[in-house]
Amino acid sequence: GEDVEQSLFLSVREGDSSVINCTYTDSSSTYLYWYKQEPGAGLQLLTYIFSNMDMKQDQRLTVLLNKKDKHLSLRIADTQTGDSAIYFCAEMGGATNKLIFGTGTLLAVQP
Amino acid sequence: DGGITQSPKYLFRKEGQNVTLSCEQNLNHDAMYWYRQDPGQGLRLIYYSQIVNDFQKGDIAEGYSVSREKKESFPLTVTSAQKNPTAFYLCATSGLRYEQYFGPGTRLTVT
Repeated sequence: GEDVEQSLFLSVREGDSSVINCTYTDSSSTYLYWYKQEPGAGLQLLTYIFSNMDMKQDQRLTVLLNKKDKHLSLRIADTQTGDSAIYFCAEMGGATNKLIFGTGTLLAVQP
Repeated sequence: DGGITQSPKYLFRKEGQNVTLSCEQNLNHDAMYWYRQDPGQGLRLIYYSQIVNDFQKGDIAEGYSVSREKKESFPLTVTSAQKNPTAFYLCATSGLRYEQYFGPGTRLTVT
């Protein structure tokens, strides 16, 4: 079945790079997404990648996609305290237009 | 100012009462979604609607009901049949690349 897995927690120091990892199961997913959720707020779309791409860069964010291993990662360069949040990856379900979300990774940035 | 609004931000109800959560959008998106989020957990899909006057059950529809009479509006009713209604409820719409945009959420507490 469809399942998206993420590690639960990541702690980094301010100024370091953060890498959040995600594995998915539906090889027919057309798009994959990264969202950020701050406490008590909705989810904010950070970026997405089309499945025929290997990499996408958007300012401090770099998304890497390994389609063979069904592995997606989000790298945040020069991580700031304002980056502290829960990060969700999501895939578009192949047979439907619904998104399948991972359980989220809590990123804690230490000053 | 375009976006998705959910009201109210906090809602308190007594057990046994039905309650309706509002979701309005001015993004002109056809598809709308309702999710439930419990502490430390990911998102679970309650209902979704891909077009006016049509909606489908998600993974956890029991105890909930929806309507989609207008493109802009997708209200969710939490009925007394929902056994554990206390949660954070998120409404979303879907764009051209199936990416979803989220409202700020409503935190419902039932005592």
